[in-house]
Amino acid sequence: DTEVTQTPKHLVMGMTNKKSLKCEQHMGHRAMYWYKQKAKKPPELMFVYSYEKLSINESVPSRFSPECPNSSLLNLHLHALQPEDSALYLCASSQRGSDTGTGELFFGEGSRLTVL
Amino acid sequence: DAKTTQPTSMDCAEGRAANLPCNHSTISGNEYVYWYRQIHSQGPQYIIHGLKNNETNEMASLIITEDRKSSTLILPHATLRDTAVYYCTPLNFGNEKLTFGTGTRLTIIP
Repeated sequence: DTEVTQTPKHLVMGMTNKKSLKCEQHMGHRAMYWYKQKAKKPPELMFVYSYEKLSINESVPSRFSPECPNSSLLNLHLHALQPEDSALYLCASSQRGSDTGTGELFFGEGSRLTVL
Repeated sequence: DAKTTQPTSMDCAEGRAANLPCNHSTISGNEYVYWYRQIHSQGPQYIIHGLKNNETNEMASLIITEDRKSSTLILPHATLRDTAVYYCTPLNFGNEKLTFGTGTRLTIIP
């Protein structure tokens, strides 16, 4: 199983809503990532979790709150978002930092978020 | 982190070899060169990586110059399904922080 599964695929929310994006992988990877991608732009790194601990936060606004409940799951909690936060949110996992594998990142298909 | 320079866009005829260059002149000695591609509306997909030797897998070949300041990704027989944005990124194998440059939008022409 080399899949990273993201749900939901599409999400529409108002600026006062609270919602969550979910990501799951069963490859035993130690690192999980959230990226944000605007149209016609490259993905931008938001957060990295390593061994279920937040290791990188790229100065992301607090209205985005990541959570890693266990080694297979990664959530992104959304609250009080702005219309400019509308984007494709990509989750990825990797075995980076270990001696196994190629160090590649496996990406999910993304959750397309629209903030009204 | 090393920065990269890639052409904004390229066209290639179907069935021909697509050669995508990447300049990474500030790459450090322990950084590998990774290539990913992103087909429209999908997540990025790993293609290949290398340190200093040329590499080949079922998807592509990677040619790295001797001074490691640039590399070329080669898709030997491009198909329409290879139309995508291609990103190269230097990365230390133990580094978790993978970032993307602007990439090259490759269009395969029938």
